[in-house]
Amino acid sequence: DAGVTQSPTHLIKTRGQQVTLRCSPKSGHDTVSWYQQALGQGPQFIFQYYEEEERQRGNFPDRFSGHQFPNYSSELNVNALLLGDSALYLCASSFSTGSEKLFFGSGTQLSVL
Amino acid sequence: AQSVAQPEDQVNVAEGNPLTVKCTYSVSGNPYLFWYVQYPNRGLQFLLKYITGDNLVKGSYGFEAEFNKSQTSFHLKKPSALVSDSALYFCAVRDDSWGKLQFGAGTQVVVTP
Repeated sequence: DAGVTQSPTHLIKTRGQQVTLRCSPKSGHDTVSWYQQALGQGPQFIFQYYEEEERQRGNFPDRFSGHQFPNYSSELNVNALLLGDSALYLCASSFSTGSEKLFFGSGTQLSVL
Repeated sequence: AQSVAQPEDQVNVAEGNPLTVKCTYSVSGNPYLFWYVQYPNRGLQFLLKYITGDNLVKGSYGFEAEFNKSQTSFHLKKPSALVSDSALYFCAVRDDSWGKLQFGAGTQVVVTP
């Protein structure tokens, strides 16, 4: 049973470009959350998707957008990249109900030059 | 609003000695508390959670945590540390069963032989 998988593992972009990160949740999970982890900091919540809709959003600008597909996989899109967007982007999946723990992927390391 | 504080950037302990990683939290309602561990270049791995019930929660790899409502603390403990416990530990809280997790800044644990 595969856990949460993310692609790509590493990515290098330049300022102003756009990037798409992908996530496949753990089998059976229907909720996907995205977190940004800057160097030396704890993960910060970006948004959560359930039933193909954004259910909750953290304090991130509209440059950050997402999508969830019918098979529960998800994408994170970031437009007009800034140097400060350089971070590890973590995807986490869970069940929609109950006090469930999150299962995290290994993340995508994004470097913006 | 919810918040988490991990007052120690790093904890150093000798192998075989007890390990404690401190966490205090603030949340408007009943807290859902979690501990995660992160190894280099990896995502977060779940250790344990507190929702309701006994104040002493047992988790993975011999870790346990004590919930103290009056002190709003949720300290992580291990009776006898191993070198392999060296990692970055995150405390996290949320105020409902499905919403965003608020993470602390993390505590680096270094266990020396």
